[in-house]
Amino acid sequence: QSVLTQPPSASGTPGQRVTISCSGSGSNIGSNTVNWFQQLPGTAPKLLINSNNERPSGVPDRVSGSKSGTSASLAISGLQSEDEADYYCAAWDDSLNGWVFGGGTKLTVL
Amino acid sequence: QVQLVQSGAEVKKPGASVKVSCQASGYTFSDYGISWVRQAPGQGLEWMGWIATYNDKTIYAQNFQGRVAMTADTSTNTAYMELRSLRSDDTAVYYCARDQAMIDDWGQGTLVTVSS
Repeated sequence: QSVLTQPPSASGTPGQRVTISCSGSGSNIGSNTVNWFQQLPGTAPKLLINSNNERPSGVPDRVSGSKSGTSASLAISGLQSEDEADYYCAAWDDSLNGWVFGGGTKLTVL
Repeated sequence: QVQLVQSGAEVKKPGASVKVSCQASGYTFSDYGISWVRQAPGQGLEWMGWIATYNDKTIYAQNFQGRVAMTADTSTNTAYMELRSLRSDDTAVYYCARDQAMIDDWGQGTLVTVSS
């Protein structure tokens, strides 16, 4: 049981826009910024979004993040086959004094 | 560029210990902490703890308190994670990641298999 809640799966067709939600509580998302990671099959996670909505160098601008209260979202527009991966949200939890992750969302490009 | 290179796969028997290394390059090692995160087969990411490489301060996740030890050697830019009293459910890929208020770069992962 993950501290942050994500839908287990999401899907879309090429060119579509998809969003992935991440729900937490006041001690994590409500108090701290949210990061998103992309994990392609058989590889290590890669930072996709930090500080709620900032893209590291090299991440395309069709990827965006947002946060409101104790929830956050990742949006990917202009969906491409290469976006097929697992996506994880993460935030620092002040009560647990550590990082907490969502359970992950498997994105399928149909 | 930032690189975190981890040691190779390990096979251990239940009750044994494992020590995974993570050698950093491409940045000033002592300016960033290192977090350790594991991923059981087909499962999500689980944070294990963090070490401040400049003074060896550690924060361990409650699930691993008493069973894990994280250390860092600034002379070789290498962080270590030792997990003791291994059980079959410790079978996982273990990742190190650069972490200074934000996890950014990750190592390639080390598969630890616990089997009798």
